Amino acid sequence: NAGVTQTPKFQVLKTGQSMTLQCAQDMNHNSMYWYRQDPGMGLRLIYYSASEGTTDKGEVPNGYNVSRLNKREFSLRLESAAPSQTSVYFCASSEPAGGLETQYFGPGTRLLVL
Amino acid sequence: AQRVTQPEKLLSVFKGAPVELKCNYSYSGSPELFWYVQYSRQRLQLLLRHISRESIKGFTADLNKGETSFHLKKPFAQEEDSAMYYCASLTIKAAGNKLTFGGGTRVLVKP
Repeated sequence: NAGVTQTPKFQVLKTGQSMTLQCAQDMNHNSMYWYRQDPGMGLRLIYYSASEGTTDKGEVPNGYNVSRLNKREFSLRLESAAPSQTSVYFCASSEPAGGLETQYFGPGTRLLVL
Repeated sequence: AQRVTQPEKLLSVFKGAPVELKCNYSYSGSPELFWYVQYSRQRLQLLLRHISRESIKGFTADLNKGETSFHLKKPFAQEEDSAMYYCASLTIKAAGNKLTFGGGTRVLVKP
């Protein structure tokens, strides 16, 4: 099992360009998440999807859109990239289990917006 | 909204010394708390859960509801413990569970 995979690993964009970050999981999890990781700020939730067909905003959704394509795939789109979106993006998945829940993370996508 | 605070950005200790990473949370109910760890060039992964009352790799964490804290401790740090550690609190809702992470503490264990 590959677990959670993300593409691309690294991307450089110019301000105003758009791109889509792809995420897939092979653990048959219902819930999927997109986070951004910035120094000193930990991981902040951008969007999440509790199940196929549903998505909801997290803590920092502005400037992003998501699509839960099917149970396996959850993509994050930047319509018009800004330098403030320079970050490392992590996708995660889990199966709801309350205090026993474990989120499984992808390897991350490092994004630089010039 | 839930908030998780890790006051130390960096902890530097010598091998064999005790290490304690502080975590404070804001939540009025019974929190579900976790510690996640990210070793160099590896993925973020679960270290331990409050509910399991477990000891993983020599680490333990005790929930103190009075102080709203969930500090992570290890009596004798090893070089392989050098990593980024995140405390997290789970919000359980019908619309979906969400983790709120603290800002992270980088641990450096010196030989």
